[in-house]
Amino acid sequence: AQSVTQPDIHITVSEGASLELRCNYSYGATPYLFWYVQSPGQGLQLLLKYFSGDTLVQGIKGFEAEFKRSQSSFNLRKPSVHWSDAAEYFCAVGAASGTYKYIFGTGTRLKVLA
Amino acid sequence: DADVTQTPRNRITKTGKRIMLECSQTKGHDRMYWYRQDPGLGLRLIYYSFDVKDINKGEISDGYSVSRQAQAKFSLSLESAIPNQTALYFCATSDPDRGGQPQHFGDGTRLSIL
Repeated sequence: AQSVTQPDIHITVSEGASLELRCNYSYGATPYLFWYVQSPGQGLQLLLKYFSGDTLVQGIKGFEAEFKRSQSSFNLRKPSVHWSDAAEYFCAVGAASGTYKYIFGTGTRLKVLA
Repeated sequence: DADVTQTPRNRITKTGKRIMLECSQTKGHDRMYWYRQDPGLGLRLIYYSFDVKDINKGEISDGYSVSRQAQAKFSLSLESAIPNQTALYFCATSDPDRGGQPQHFGDGTRLSIL
C-alpha cells in the first residue's frame, strides 16, 4: 500500500540549532517527493521537490532534503533554525506520471525556542 | 491576488444545514482537489476533478458533493452538515501537463458545525 510516514508528531528545537524532519514513504512506482510548510491560518506552501537527478535538493527558506532510495526516506534539514520556522511540515509523494494522487504524511509540528 | 482563493475563510453553522465552500483559481490548471485536514490525520482527499466533465471520489467522499462549474471553479457542498465534518478544508490545483508537479493550495476554510 502507498503511504507516507512522518514519525515525529512534535519537534522542539532552540533557535539557531540544526533541524531534521523525517519522512519515509512506501510507493510502488518511481515517486515524486515534496515537502510543504503550513503556517497558522494559511495553506500549504511548497518548500522543495524531488523528481530525479541529484538526491540532495535545495528549497526555499534555507531548507534542503535528501532522497535516499535504499531507505525510502526524504528527510528535511535546515542547518540553523529561525523562530519564524515554527509551523507544521508535511511530506508528500506523487507518482511520476499519469495519476491524480498525492499522498500526505500526518505532519510534524515544529516549535522553536528563543 | 492569490492564485487559489477559497471562500468563506471561516464558517460556523448548525447540524443539518447545507453548506457550500467555494474555490476559484487563476493558475489555469485543469486539476482541482478538495481535502480536509484534521489534527494528527494530515490531509485526506475528498474529491478531485481532472476537468469540467471529470469528477472523482477521493478516500472520504461520503457526506460531500462537488460541482465543477468551470475550469477555474470547484465547489464543495455538505448537504446536511454533521459535527464530525468540523475541520479545515483545503482546495488545491495541479498542472497535469507537467508530470509530477506540486499542488498549489488555497488558504483554507475553517468549518465548525455545532
